[in-house]
Amino acid sequence: GQNIDQPTEMTATEGAIVQINCTYQTSGFNGLFWYQQHAGEAPTFLSYNVLDGLEEKGRFSSFLSRSKGYSYLLLKELQMKDSASYLCAVPDGGATNKLIFGTGTLLAVQP
Amino acid sequence: NAGVTQTPKFRVLKTGQSMTLLCAQDMNHEYMYWYRQDPGMGLRLIHYSVGEGTTAKGEVPDGYNVSRLKKQNFLLGLESAAPSQTSVYFCASSSAEGISGNTIYFGEGSWLTVV
Repeated sequence: GQNIDQPTEMTATEGAIVQINCTYQTSGFNGLFWYQQHAGEAPTFLSYNVLDGLEEKGRFSSFLSRSKGYSYLLLKELQMKDSASYLCAVPDGGATNKLIFGTGTLLAVQP
Repeated sequence: NAGVTQTPKFRVLKTGQSMTLLCAQDMNHEYMYWYRQDPGMGLRLIHYSVGEGTTAKGEVPDGYNVSRLKKQNFLLGLESAAPSQTSVYFCASSSAEGISGNTIYFGEGSWLTVV
């Protein structure tokens, strides 16, 4: 089965850099997703990693190490609007694309 | 540009009442899912469907039933609501073209309170 761990809460300062970690255990690896979810809203897609290394998309980057079962989401030049929950998720095997989510990390960006 | 639409958005039920949540998608997706989200628990899969006329159980299926009579609709039913089913429910859909980035789209959520 799948098991995903990520910190419950983090606090960072506007303009700074923050790294949100995710460790996972899967019976078969088929990529790792990061979603952003603002309070009261639906999750929105941020990134998908299937190969080792860092993928950069503007202020957000995502890193994957398959051998370590580890990923992180890096947010640069933090803005107040980045205050949200960040969800790490992995596919549950098979061909149905269904995702198993971690509990999410609630990031609070302070002035 | 509707995407995934859920109705109703908010509902208060009394214990023992029944109700149905409707999810509709206009992207011709094969796969559809129902998740619930509770504080500290993350998103948990209730049921899912891999095509019209099919359904399957997820992580937390007890107390729920689903139907996929039409490809674009996925219904989640609560036959006898319990306070433990107070939650936010998210519907999602995806194509059958294999897992890759951004293939899973979420509805805006339905807030259900059982008193």
